[in-house]
Amino acid sequence: RKEVEQDPGPFNVPEGATVAFNCTYSNSASQSFFWYRQDCRKEPKLLMSVYSSGNEDGRFTAQLNRASQYISLLIRDSKLSDSATYLCVVRRNKLIFGTGTLLAVQP
Amino acid sequence: NAGVTQTPKFRVLKTGQSMTLLCAQDMNHEYMYWYRQDPGMGLRLIHYSVGEGTTAKGEVPDGYNVSRLKKQNFLLGLESAAPSQTSVYFCASSWGQGSYEQYFGPGTRLTVT
Repeated sequence: RKEVEQDPGPFNVPEGATVAFNCTYSNSASQSFFWYRQDCRKEPKLLMSVYSSGNEDGRFTAQLNRASQYISLLIRDSKLSDSATYLCVVRRNKLIFGTGTLLAVQP
Repeated sequence: NAGVTQTPKFRVLKTGQSMTLLCAQDMNHEYMYWYRQDPGMGLRLIHYSVGEGTTAKGEVPDGYNVSRLKKQNFLLGLESAAPSQTSVYFCASSWGQGSYEQYFGPGTRLTVT
């Protein structure tokens, strides 16, 4: 079983839609949590950190549920430019990456 | 600032050949990392460095060596390339561990035939 599990998708949504991704992690000792974004054939870039109280950055909201060991990312009012792979990342003594969820926003 | 740069961008090797991938960062970061990314798998840590002159093994270090002679550079070597090392290699750097963001280079696409 992978330490960080994500639904690979693809999630095909129309512009303006709200879409949510979940991610589960298996090690309760995980200390920090992140969402990275990776465009096709490009490098990953930090989208946002995830805090226990939940946090928001514009159209993006991240939530962490330590008891159930899952992390979520909600994207509101999807834009074409949101099309990318979203990587769920947890940290113990190093970063552990999920395989990513592919989002395709359709016009 | 260029951020993190990697050379080369693409390379094709024959089995048994050797090569060195170069990573450079201009952000004065202490920590540097080498990852590989394969289809269906998350990024996996090969080796990392917590400062000039130091290196440590990551999750998948076999078949690779690294050196950090200067703070801004982190080299990844393949002494005898194998087809299993066909992958996309990313270098990254950060101020430290914890919640510090890792900044990634554009990647090197390596094919071993």
